[in-house]
Formats: sequence, C-alpha cells, structure tokens
Amino acid sequence: GQQVMQIPQYQHVQEGEDFTTYCNSSTTLSNIQWYKQRPGGHPVFLIQLVKSGEVKKQKRLTFQFGEAKKNSSLHITATQTTDVGTYFCAGWHNYGQNFVFGPGTRLSVLP
Amino acid sequence: DVKVTQSSRYLVKRTGEKVFLECVQDMDHENMFWYRQDPGLGLRLIYFSYDVKMKEKGDIPEGYSVSREKKERFSLILESASTNQTSMYLCASSPFLQEGQEQYFGPGTRLTVT
Repeated sequence: GQQVMQIPQYQHVQEGEDFTTYCNSSTTLSNIQWYKQRPGGHPVFLIQLVKSGEVKKQKRLTFQFGEAKKNSSLHITATQTTDVGTYFCAGWHNYGQNFVFGPGTRLSVLP
Repeated sequence: DVKVTQSSRYLVKRTGEKVFLECVQDMDHENMFWYRQDPGLGLRLIYFSYDVKMKEKGDIPEGYSVSREKKERFSLILESASTNQTSMYLCASSPFLQEGQEQYFGPGTRLTVT
C-alpha cells in the first residue's frame, strides 16, 4: 500500500543548531501537510504545499515539496527549545484516494 | 476557533468490554477521522466519515466500528476491547479533505486495556 516514510526517527540538537527532517512517499502526492505535536499534546497543522517544487517559509521554518511530488523536507534554522516536539508529514495520495501520515521525527533541543 | 473535543483524556477498560470513544466538533466540518497513535508508527487512520451516516475504512479498521448520526459527532466503538488496542486515540475534523484542508485534532484519549 501507499507509504510515507520520514527520516530521521529521532534528532537531538544543541540549541542554535539547524535541523532537517525528510519525508518520502512511495507514490505521488496531491499535496503535503506538516504537523507539529508538542510532548503531551495533539498534532497542530503547520503548513500545506501543493505545487511541484514549492518552497514556503514560516520565520525559521522552511518547507519544500519535491519536483516529483514524492518527497518533502522541513528545515529549522537556529533551533530553540520551543521547537521541541514531533514533526509529522502527511499526504493525500492521487490514486489511492487516502490520506497518510508519516511516522514522525522527534526533535529534542538541548539548551 | 475550531474546537474538537473528546469525551475522556484517560480511560481504563478490561479485556472484552465494549468501549465508546466520543468526538465532537463545533465548526460544521464535513469530514471527521479517528486515528490511533503508537510510538514509532505515527498516526494510523482507523475510519473516517465524510458525511452523516457515511463511513470509510482507513488503514486499520479491524476490531473497530464507527457511528456518525449527527454531523458534529463521530463515535469510535471497540466491540470487544483487547490489550493490543491499548493506545492513544485521536479524533480530527476538516472541512473538505480533497481540497487539502488542514485537519484539526482533539486532545486525544489514552486508552489502556487490561
């Protein structure tokens, strides 16, 4: 079936370092969404990318959607302790007509 | 502000019991979802509903059923709870998934089956 993978599974960084998580789908995606889940919380929508090659920025966060619409990345510049949490990508698959979440990347930021 | 509420934050049930998890949204959303979240596996879709009385199976529907009698309410039912259904259950809603609308999640119910 359709799968969405994320790497790395865990990432520990020192505050101020950069962080990147990668999302890869086995099939083409209509769109990709990113969510953040703080420890003990629920997923909260961050952004959606729709176009091939699209890049969007939210302050220190940069999101990219691959040209083939099968992969995406989230890059955080100069991490802060408030960035701690699990970042999920999720995509709507064209042909399977279903919405699938990746397993998430858990980010720890050491002060 | 969209609000999605779930009936319980924590629930402990015995094996074989029938369990009801309730979810209510207040934004007149068409779509509602039930996920379970387990460490290392992310969010896995159990069922979703795109209209009242309509339901579609997700990736892991076995052992679960759902009910949507009113637009704002979506219930998840474990007919006979088993220990492997111990998990965090998350409900979500969205206006129109096909248009790529974001999903709004409830706080989750941590279910333990003993």
